[in-house]
Amino acid sequence: AQSVTQPDIHITVSEGASLELRCNYSYGATPYLFWYVQSPGQGLQLLLKYFSGDTLVQGIKGFEAEFKRSQSSFNLRKPSVHWSDAAEYFCAVGAGVSSASKIIFGSGTRLSIRP
Amino acid sequence: NAGVTQTPKFRVLKTGQSMTLLCAQDMNHEYMYWYRQDPGMGLRLIHYSVGEGTTAKGEVPDGYNVSRLKKQNFLLGLESAAPSQTSVYFCASSPPPGGFTEAFFGQGTRLTVV
Repeated sequence: AQSVTQPDIHITVSEGASLELRCNYSYGATPYLFWYVQSPGQGLQLLLKYFSGDTLVQGIKGFEAEFKRSQSSFNLRKPSVHWSDAAEYFCAVGAGVSSASKIIFGSGTRLSIRP
Repeated sequence: NAGVTQTPKFRVLKTGQSMTLLCAQDMNHEYMYWYRQDPGMGLRLIHYSVGEGTTAKGEVPDGYNVSRLKKQNFLLGLESAAPSQTSVYFCASSPPPGGFTEAFFGQGTRLTVV
């Protein structure tokens, strides 16, 4: 069955420091992968997505993610975090067939920013 | 530009009561989803729909029913609420091919069952 694992429940980084959030997936075919962000009290917003092609994808707000098939990973990175990046981050995989597909989410990583 | 609208935003129910959560989208999307979000468990799919008149079970469908009589609306029903259904509920919609493209989320409904 398809699944997504985010091994880090909570991460704290200093403002201006670099960030990497880990995501591992389990999927038999070529995965469709997503990163979403949820600010407190809000719904989810798409940061970036990977379908095929270049394994390094750029997203909004200065985020990027790298797809590594050999490691079944899709880690999210940002070179320098800002206080406004404090939020919860979800990795997700598209699953099923085109006519009946769905999105499976990981358990999320909460990011705190140290001033 | 409303996007995905969930009604109500907050609700407190007593055990055994019933209620319906409404999700409305104005983007003409085929796919719609209901998720619940619980601490440490991420978003778990309850039910989803791939088009008007169709519904399918997700990961945690027990205790919930859904209907998609109109393309723009997706209703989630709790027939007999239980404390285990205390959660934040999110609705989302997406164009085809559904799970392989961006989903647009509502602001959530915080439900407490006492």
